Amino acid sequence: AAGVIQSPRHLIKEKRETATLKCYPIPRHDTVYWYQQGPGQDPQFLISFYEKMQSDKGSIPDRFSAQQFSDYHSELNMSSLELGDSALYFCASSRPSSVSTGELFFGEGSRLTVL
Amino acid sequence: DAKTTQPTSMDCAEGRAANLPCNHSTISGNEYVYWYRQIHSQGPQYIIHGLKNNETNEMASLIITEDRKSSTLILPHATLRDTAVYYCIVRGPTINAGNNRKLIWGLGTSLAVNP
Repeated sequence: AAGVIQSPRHLIKEKRETATLKCYPIPRHDTVYWYQQGPGQDPQFLISFYEKMQSDKGSIPDRFSAQQFSDYHSELNMSSLELGDSALYFCASSRPSSVSTGELFFGEGSRLTVL
Repeated sequence: DAKTTQPTSMDCAEGRAANLPCNHSTISGNEYVYWYRQIHSQGPQYIIHGLKNNETNEMASLIITEDRKSSTLILPHATLRDTAVYYCIVRGPTINAGNNRKLIWGLGTSLAVNP
């Protein structure tokens, strides 16, 4: 079965540079979520999109932005990168609530290292 | 969403049952209990969820106390591949499509399955 696809899997950037992460949800899933997981920490919710509109916002820095496109893939844009942005970034998707039991399906993550 | 409390770490012998407890004493009547796990640096994986009845699937069983203030995830025959951090998460129902479906992660239980 198709899973959530994230790219790139690994990314190395310098401070103050910009990075873009991409997420391709499972087909027919209508909601995409972004999470950030620092070393030794639990996943922190950043932002979510439902049917291409932002549906919820968590602890996403102002330097970050995200959107969901017409084909339902999503991109997380991070600018003015800081050392503290080094983390695993997970994308998840979920099915429409009419058929969903509420679980989120996660991708394997994108590891960002800021030097 | 209700807060959960889990032991920081647990050990289990391979082939034996692993019983992971979770306290959620402030759970409200319409909140579900979800269990996810995260194998080192991989994307979180959904295991099981329930409202008030005990649940079983191919991965695990979920036992919820009658007052719903605590639950136990049971892995009936733990294997080395079950070594992971297990998260117990309480969340309300998916009332409207796209709303309130994010998961708020707490401190999970690091389960070590030993040969």
